[in-house]
Amino acid sequence: GAVVSQHPSWVICKSGTSVKIECRSLDFQATTMFWYRQFPKQSLMLMATSNEGSKATYEQGVEKDKFLINHASLTLSTLTVTSAHPEDSSFYICSARYENTEAFFGQGTRLTVV
Amino acid sequence: DQQVKQNSPSLSVQEGRISILNCDYTNSMFDYFLWYKKYPAEGPTFLISISSIKDKNEDGRFTVFLNKSAKHLSLHIVPSQPGDSAVYFCAASALGDMRFGAGTRLTVKP
Repeated sequence: GAVVSQHPSWVICKSGTSVKIECRSLDFQATTMFWYRQFPKQSLMLMATSNEGSKATYEQGVEKDKFLINHASLTLSTLTVTSAHPEDSSFYICSARYENTEAFFGQGTRLTVV
Repeated sequence: DQQVKQNSPSLSVQEGRISILNCDYTNSMFDYFLWYKKYPAEGPTFLISISSIKDKNEDGRFTVFLNKSAKHLSLHIVPSQPGDSAVYFCAASALGDMRFGAGTRLTVKP
């Protein structure tokens, strides 16, 4: 299947700093990219949906100024967690899809804010 | 607003038997449905999908059934194997949107 690369796989940062997570579709053009956060007890929460060249659409309750999403090209989307706090510690996963097909997922990023 | 629901957080079956994972959705605009498998600390991997114009899709040991009138889909795994132990997410999609259920943890006992 298609490959989506997410980087870094894990990151530890100090409280108050910002962290950028990259999501790349390696062998297809991703018209839409999604960012998810996995909470304890397994649920995946959709944070935002981004289409190339457009502003991301954030889900209710997700702070757009805290979780900055950029989808500058058809192969790259970034999620920047600004002024991170310990409660932002989580597993973040991106996915990418071409039009209305199945989405392929990155391997996820474990963020720990200390 | 939970548009996709997996009401069973966990399921345990014996190796060789059938595993049935269920999923319900509320949005009639969804036209494409998917199942993903997820291991800890990894991203979900695509398993199988079905379009709303079909009611069944089979791929090896995995079969997905769709009942549009009931807004219900299910994933059958037969025979179940210990390596199938993972969290399974169902997802429903419309153009530009994809929603996931909360997941069901499947444990296949040897």
